[in-house]
Amino acid sequence: EVQLVESGGGLVKPGGSLIVSCAASGFTFTTYGMAWVRQAPGKGLEWVSSISSGGGYKYYAHSVEGRFTMSRDNARNSLSLQMNSLRAEDTAVYYCARESSTGAYRPHFDYWGQGTLVTVSS
Amino acid sequence: SYVLTQPPSVSVAPGKTAKITCGGNNIGSKSVHWYQQTPGQAPVLVIYYDTNRPSGIPERFSGSNSGNTATLTISRVEAGDEADYYCQVWDSTTDHRVFGAGTKVTVL
Repeated sequence: EVQLVESGGGLVKPGGSLIVSCAASGFTFTTYGMAWVRQAPGKGLEWVSSISSGGGYKYYAHSVEGRFTMSRDNARNSLSLQMNSLRAEDTAVYYCARESSTGAYRPHFDYWGQGTLVTVSS
Repeated sequence: SYVLTQPPSVSVAPGKTAKITCGGNNIGSKSVHWYQQTPGQAPVLVIYYDTNRPSGIPERFSGSNSGNTATLTISRVEAGDEADYYCQVWDSTTDHRVFGAGTKVTVL
């Protein structure tokens, strides 16, 4: 059974930093790209970042580029998102998701974790 | 950047058919994926590559994509289908993944 479990959320002050993590199990982690998707309270889904299966390719939404860094540890089946210079508008539930694509590259998110809440407030 | 447009809400009576649209420039040339999210829960993939259903998703859910509009169709709507639905594509020019703003489906 595929499981994605996020951790590390919490309250942080504007301008501060936080790392959220995701522990993956139930599938061959090294063969899948992974992603972070967030959802602000009462709002829709927003893609944040994706990383290739080997970690060599990373992609970021314009809203977080230069402030957030995504990484993965394939030996530990884990994912992390380092968030710096946090703003109030970064307040959201952060979901870890598995990316899937077969044949031509057309990524979608076939499994999701339950999310971890990050609140940026003074 | 690529923009996906969804209606904010759709209302449907039980047993009827709900159609949720997702508009985008020449979206028919892209692969569209759909997610269902009930309150307090993580999203669930219900349609991928325009028309494919993951295992466990009822046949009542179907998708189509042509021209500038993709559509998620829910047949014989049940109370349990009440949720927010999001479309998503990959923008090949930026490598960004893009979501629509979501459509709230209300079962009357």
